Amino acid sequence: KQEVTQIPAALSVPEGENLVLNCSFTDSAIYNLQWFRQDPGKGLTSLLLIQSSQREQTSGRLNASLDKSSGRSTLYIAASQPGDSATYLCAVANYGGSQGNLIFGKGTKLSVKP
Amino acid sequence: DADVTQTPRNRITKTGKRIMLECSQTKGHDRMYWYRQDPGLGLRLIYYSFDVKDINKGEISDGYSVSRQAQAKFSLSLESAIPNQTALYFCATSDPGQEPEKLFFGSGTQLSVL
Repeated sequence: KQEVTQIPAALSVPEGENLVLNCSFTDSAIYNLQWFRQDPGKGLTSLLLIQSSQREQTSGRLNASLDKSSGRSTLYIAASQPGDSATYLCAVANYGGSQGNLIFGKGTKLSVKP
Repeated sequence: DADVTQTPRNRITKTGKRIMLECSQTKGHDRMYWYRQDPGLGLRLIYYSFDVKDINKGEISDGYSVSRQAQAKFSLSLESAIPNQTALYFCATSDPGQEPEKLFFGSGTQLSVL
């Protein structure tokens, strides 16, 4: 059974720092991996999606990498800002499952201090 | 207006009551999903529907039922609510014709069962 783990559970950094959020998964037979952002009182917003054949995806200050063989993904946030404060969730879609049957990690709650 | 709308946003009910959570979308997506989020457990899939005539159980469907009234509407019912169904519930949609197939989430319904 696929399990997704995110470390750390919470992270507090000063504004301007570069930071890395970690995600690991137990079964490397994944179809893709997504990183989501969750703000209080709002739904989840997809930030980056990496297909199993890809190694990384970039969007603005965000870069997500995928190493299937080791079962790991990282989300790199450059020059962090207070507006980046949110909970970040990693989710895996397995081969043979539907795209909506994602396996989520528990998230990393990020706080960026001004 | 939001593309994926959930009603109500908050609901408090008593054990044994029947309750319905509603989701409507203007994205024209065929696929719709219901997830619940519990502190410390992440998001888990309850039910999903690939079209009006196709409904499937997710990881934790016991105690829940769904109805896909139209392409745009997908309702989740708790026939007899119990306290451990207290959670944040999310509806999501996706388009299998979109590559990659991303999920779009509603803002959530916070349900408390007393």
